[in-house]
Amino acid sequence: GAVVSQHPSRVICKSGTSVKIECRSLDFQATTMFWYRQFPKQSLMLMATSNEGSKATYEQGVEKDKFLINHASLTLSTLTVTSAHPEDSSFYICSASQVPSGSGNEQYFGPGTRLTVT
Amino acid sequence: RKEVEQDPGPFNVPEGATVAFNCTYSNSASQSFFWYRQDCRKEPKLLMSVYSSGNEDGRFTAQLNRASQYISLLIRDSKLSDSATYLCVVNGGSNYQLIWGAGTKLIIKP
Repeated sequence: GAVVSQHPSRVICKSGTSVKIECRSLDFQATTMFWYRQFPKQSLMLMATSNEGSKATYEQGVEKDKFLINHASLTLSTLTVTSAHPEDSSFYICSASQVPSGSGNEQYFGPGTRLTVT
Repeated sequence: RKEVEQDPGPFNVPEGATVAFNCTYSNSASQSFFWYRQDCRKEPKLLMSVYSSGNEDGRFTAQLNRASQYISLLIRDSKLSDSATYLCVVNGGSNYQLIWGAGTKLIIKP
């Protein structure tokens, strides 16, 4: 149980285009979903926390108008990278939690999406 | 000082050896501690939680030292399949936010 899927697993796009990444909890209802970004040889960095039906909470330094997050249902959250640029190339990982705080091992991770912007 | 610090490695260890690495954290109010394992280009997977009394799971032992604010991971009889990056995760105290270390890369050599 507690499976999280992400789609697409890999995407290459041209600079200036927008990319949408989907995160789904397959066998449980995710009260909270988290979006992380990881650059090579760096730690996971939390971008935003989203609760179903409400606006996402963005971490300091993350542009909410550039990284649009929608958590319309208890099993689906989407991250849209708008007007992507090469510096947005990264590994984007979502995680889902059944509990509001999402602390510790209640977070279940998706397989990640590798975005390359050319 | 980073909130969670780890030696990036890599630790090159012969198969069968014992290896240990630490992770220091800065927030003394932190309550939850975890070790995750991340294989190259894959998502992190929970390896084990770290309790105040320590935690052992097979060849893996995790310890918490609150006084010195660090957690440790010990791997005995290392296997080739243990090669991965080990991420230290600490909750941020009252706000429950997880703070991730940059990871320690472990390479087990035959």
